[in-house]
Amino acid sequence: DQQVKQNSPSLSVQEGRISILNCDYTNSMFDYFLWYKKYPAEGPTFLISISSIKDKNEDGRFTVFLNKSAKHLSLHIVPSQPGDSAVYFCAASGGDMRFGAGTRLTVKP
Amino acid sequence: DAGVIQSPRHEVTEMGQEVTLRCKPISGHDYLFWYRQTMMRGLELLIYFNNNVPIDDSGMPEDRFSAKMPNASFSTLKIQPSEPRDSAVYFCASRGGTEAFFGQGTRLTVV
Repeated sequence: DQQVKQNSPSLSVQEGRISILNCDYTNSMFDYFLWYKKYPAEGPTFLISISSIKDKNEDGRFTVFLNKSAKHLSLHIVPSQPGDSAVYFCAASGGDMRFGAGTRLTVKP
Repeated sequence: DAGVIQSPRHEVTEMGQEVTLRCKPISGHDYLFWYRQTMMRGLELLIYFNNNVPIDDSGMPEDRFSAKMPNASFSTLKIQPSEPRDSAVYFCASRGGTEAFFGQGTRLTVV
């Protein structure tokens, strides 16, 4: 059963605009949430994380928001750049680390 | 550190053959994960180890799959016998803190 869900398989935005990627989870015991970025023929690379005791974490153009009551997190990219085009995976971590199915982001020049 | 190292990068094998995928985690990391990437399920967790001990193998799809971690610097994922539906990209990742670091993956094709 999928403990981490990314319901949007793809997202297309214009360069300079905001990209918002969403993720839902089912297990309240996760203590960290992470976002990874993946290019073709490469392994996923870590982007940003947030502890379950926080509701926001910001790193440059990337911000992750956590809504524990809704079991929902989102990644905001502002401004979006063409180099951000990749597949983004949401992950939830306890002892294990569970991933969603990914969202393919395309940023158009 | 060279990061997580997986071998081989590509493997083509015939149905029914045994396949062994290898992983060298980052030195000092105490968690090791094996994932399979599929279109439908994304990165599917197969099994993970903590301090070389298998903790949860509930994601292993069938008894044809097995994994070992004989020491802190080496792990294997074995499929025997292999089937065409096992064709996928398999990733190994290790973790020493909050985030996990991934290898470049092994693309397995079973014909």
